[in-house]
Amino acid sequence: QKEVEQDPGPLSVPEGAIVSLNCTYSNSAFQYFMWYRQYSRKGPELLMYTYSSGNKEDGRFTAQVDKSSKYISLFIRDSQPSDSATYLCAIKGTSGSRLTFGEGTQLTVNP
Amino acid sequence: SQTIHQWPATLVQPVGSPLSLECTVEGTSNPNLYWYRQAAGRGLQLLFYSVGIGQISSEVPQNLSASRPQDRQFILSSKKLLLSDSGFYLCAWTQASYEQYFGPGTRLTVT
Repeated sequence: QKEVEQDPGPLSVPEGAIVSLNCTYSNSAFQYFMWYRQYSRKGPELLMYTYSSGNKEDGRFTAQVDKSSKYISLFIRDSQPSDSATYLCAIKGTSGSRLTFGEGTQLTVNP
Repeated sequence: SQTIHQWPATLVQPVGSPLSLECTVEGTSNPNLYWYRQAAGRGLQLLFYSVGIGQISSEVPQNLSASRPQDRQFILSSKKLLLSDSGFYLCAWTQASYEQYFGPGTRLTVT
C-alpha cells in the first residue's frame, strides 16, 4: 500500500464549477500537509500548506484536513481555465525533512 | 526573497554520454536541497537530498550521483546515461520550515 494515495484523474469540469481534489494517507505520524500546482512542463508551485485538522482558506482555494480519517482535500471554487494543471498533495512527518507525494490529479477547466 | 535556478532547461543526450545538471539557490543559507525525477504522467521520485556541504543521501540505487560543492549549489551527475534516465528533473529546497520549494526543472531526453 502506498503511503499516499491520490486519484490521477483526469478530471474535467466546466468553468465556474467547484472542484474537489483528494488524497488519503496511511501513516498517522504525518503532520504537515501541502498542495502543489504544476503547470505543464513547469516545476510544482506550493499552493497551500497546513498542519492542523480543519479548513484553511486562501481566496478561491480551501485546504481541508481530517486526521482522524487520514484524508485531505483541496477545494477550488469558481474554477477558471487558468486552474488547469496537475495538483499534487504532499505530506510530511514531524521529524526529518522528506515529503511524500501523491501521484497528482490532472485537472482541466473548460471555458 | 529566495529563488532557485536550474540549468539547462532542456537537454538531449545520447545513451552512454555523461550528465551534469546544476541547481543553485539564492537568498537563503544552509538550505536542505533535493533532487527529484518525474517521469511523464507520474509522481515525484526523490533521488538525493543534502543537509549540508558534502553531505549526500541517496534514496534510489541508480547510475546517478549528486554532489554539493557549495552551500547553495547542488549538482546531479552521471558518467553514462541510460534510456531510462529520461525524465523531468527537479531541484527543491527547504529550510527551517516544512514547506518545500521547487525549481523550474530540467527536461532530459536520452536518445
